[in-house]
Amino acid sequence: QQPVQSPQAVILREGEDAVINCSSSKALYSVHWYRQKHGEAPVFLMILLKGGEQKGHEKISASFNEKKQQSSLYLTASQLSYSGTYFCGTGKAAGNKLTFGGGTRVLVKP
Amino acid sequence: GAVVSQHPSRVICKSGTSVKIECRSLDFQATTMFWYRQFPKQSLMLMATSNEGSKATYEQGVEKDKFLINHASLTLSTLTVTSAHPEDSSFYICSASGQLANYGYTFGSGTRLTVV
Repeated sequence: QQPVQSPQAVILREGEDAVINCSSSKALYSVHWYRQKHGEAPVFLMILLKGGEQKGHEKISASFNEKKQQSSLYLTASQLSYSGTYFCGTGKAAGNKLTFGGGTRVLVKP
Repeated sequence: GAVVSQHPSRVICKSGTSVKIECRSLDFQATTMFWYRQFPKQSLMLMATSNEGSKATYEQGVEKDKFLINHASLTLSTLTVTSAHPEDSSFYICSASGQLANYGYTFGSGTRLTVV
């Protein structure tokens, strides 16, 4: 079953913050976050494994709440380059297939 | 970092013909390859999972006789769209898994298929 992402879209001014949420109805082993620019393939941002860890990539960080089966991606002090569609992908085991959420479109304006 | 090379990037074919898409892992052994299809402004929908040397596992609703997947080696997986129809027009992307559990999956650059 596809994880649910929210919001579906967000518009930011450069320097503003945003949070993207990803919820699953099933127990998760891992949550992956990717960013896709128009016409390009998704680019890996980070992976979170069960254990409630938090990770960071530039000024983008994420958390994973295993009990709630939720993950959140935090865009801090957004830059123009952060524009794109963000997908969370959930997996049930290491090396297992990922099921992607519907995506969150992020537009960062000057 | 891990690189997956996908070819061709764009292809236009006539209805009824077949198209082969290749994905190669360049600097690691991809024990598992995933094939996705993405329609405009939509999410990535998994079509099948292929493991080197074994038959692919197809997702429900995906015709295995139409989308032939071969994973003959640890560095190469191919997807052949047979007897293509206009509704098969889409963005096809492969993704490789082969590294440690704390690494993300690497995507190929995608193939834009247009069937006319």
